[in-house]
Amino acid sequence: DAGVTQSPTHLIKTRGQQVTLRCSPKSGHDTVSWYQQALGQGPQFIFQYYEEEERQRGNFPDRFSGHQFPNYSSELNVNALLLGDSALYLCASSLWEGVYNEQFFGPGTRLTVL
Amino acid sequence: AQSVTQLGSHVSVSEGALVLLRCNYSSSVPPYLFWYVQYPNQGLQLLLKYTTGATLVKGINGFEAEFKKSETSFHLTKPSAHMSDAAEYFCAGRFTGANSKLTFGKGITLSVRP
Repeated sequence: DAGVTQSPTHLIKTRGQQVTLRCSPKSGHDTVSWYQQALGQGPQFIFQYYEEEERQRGNFPDRFSGHQFPNYSSELNVNALLLGDSALYLCASSLWEGVYNEQFFGPGTRLTVL
Repeated sequence: AQSVTQLGSHVSVSEGALVLLRCNYSSSVPPYLFWYVQYPNQGLQLLLKYTTGATLVKGINGFEAEFKKSETSFHLTKPSAHMSDAAEYFCAGRFTGANSKLTFGKGITLSVRP
C-alpha cells in the first residue's frame, strides 16, 4: 500500500519565478492538505482540497494556489516567489468522512528560493 | 484563539533516562491531539493520538502521552531514551470545526547523549 508521495524532492528557484509541487495521496484517501514548514518552525496549514474544491484555507496570500484532480492527487502552485517562501512543503492525505480524519504525511518537497 | 504551545525548543537527555516533552493547548473545547516525530530530511510520522476515551495513550516506539483536561496538557513521555529517539517532535491539535486541519506547535528537538 503506497503512502503519500510528493515530487520533486528538492527544488531551487529564483525570486519572482513560479513553482508547482505535486502530491499523490495514500490509497483510498480523498482529501489533501498542504502545509509549509519553515526552518525551525512547526508546519503551517496552507489549504485543503476535497472533491476538487478548496475547502479550508490558512493565512497565506493568493500567490499560493492549488488544484485537486479527479484521481485525488493535488498540486500546489506558488507565484512570484519570495525568499521567505523557502521551506519544506508537506502534503497530507486523509478521508473526508473519516472518524478522526487522521492525516498521513508525505516526505515533503524542499523549496529553496535564491 | 485556538493554539498549541510547546515550551522550549531543545531537550537533552542521557541514554536510558526519562523523556518528557511538554504540550499545552488553548481552546474552550478540547481538540483531538497528536504527537508527530520528524527525523532529519523526512516528513512527519504519527507517534500517537488522543481523540476520546482513555486519557493515557500508548504509541509507537515506547512513547505514551496523557491527556489532562484540567491542565490543558498532552505531555509526551518515554521511560528510557534510546539514541534513535533523537529527532524533532511536534504536538498538534485538531480543533472543533477545523475538519482535518492540524494546528502545530513549534516543535522540540530531542537530543540523546550516550
